[in-house]
Amino acid sequence: AQTVTQSQPEMSVQEAETVTLSCTYDTSESDYYLFWYKQPPSRQMILVIRQEAYKQQNATENRFSVNFQKAAKSFSLKISDSQLGDAAMYFCALGTASKLTFGTGTRLQVTL
Amino acid sequence: KAGVTQTPRYLIKTRGQQVTLSCSPISGHRSVSWYQQTPGQGLQFLFEYFSETQRNKGNFPGRFSGRQFSNSRSEMNVSTLELGDSALYLCASSLRGLGLGYEKLFFGSGTQLSVL
Repeated sequence: AQTVTQSQPEMSVQEAETVTLSCTYDTSESDYYLFWYKQPPSRQMILVIRQEAYKQQNATENRFSVNFQKAAKSFSLKISDSQLGDAAMYFCALGTASKLTFGTGTRLQVTL
Repeated sequence: KAGVTQTPRYLIKTRGQQVTLSCSPISGHRSVSWYQQTPGQGLQFLFEYFSETQRNKGNFPGRFSGRQFSNSRSEMNVSTLELGDSALYLCASSLRGLGLGYEKLFFGSGTQLSVL
């Protein structure tokens, strides 16, 4: 079985501050990818960041970076210099050749 | 380039009816996948189509079916609607279709289906 767990239903961060969203996963596959997707109120899911499991180096996209701990099966997302536009639902996802499993999501609020 | 387009945006149906949802992927994208999103169950994978063939299938009853046309456009059909089918249905496309969970997915804005 393939599972993804996001233990934080809601998080809040002040504008310009840094926030970390947690994600743990479980899979018996050796070849897999991990993703963070953002879903704003417009409902359209947008890819934030993607990590290949075979790469030890943590992926980075501008203000977004991950902390990938393969042995611990942990894949957290760090958002630096938070902006009002970062407010959204964030979904962690685990992908293999034939499966894509999403976590239950973390709602991020950004306050002034 | 136009994004993934899903029609209609909203739909209201009654129990027992059937419904067809449409998805036009980004031009050149070969894989189309469908997802059901509900507050209780979250995001669940329905099925994936690649070159007009269903390549992967999630854990949904046979009432849920789909197809893909030669231009990569896809339709999803739900027959004998139940109240529990009320959900946001999302469609996504990917460029090369190397594997369902390998590539970046481009999502549409979804079809919100309400079953009364």
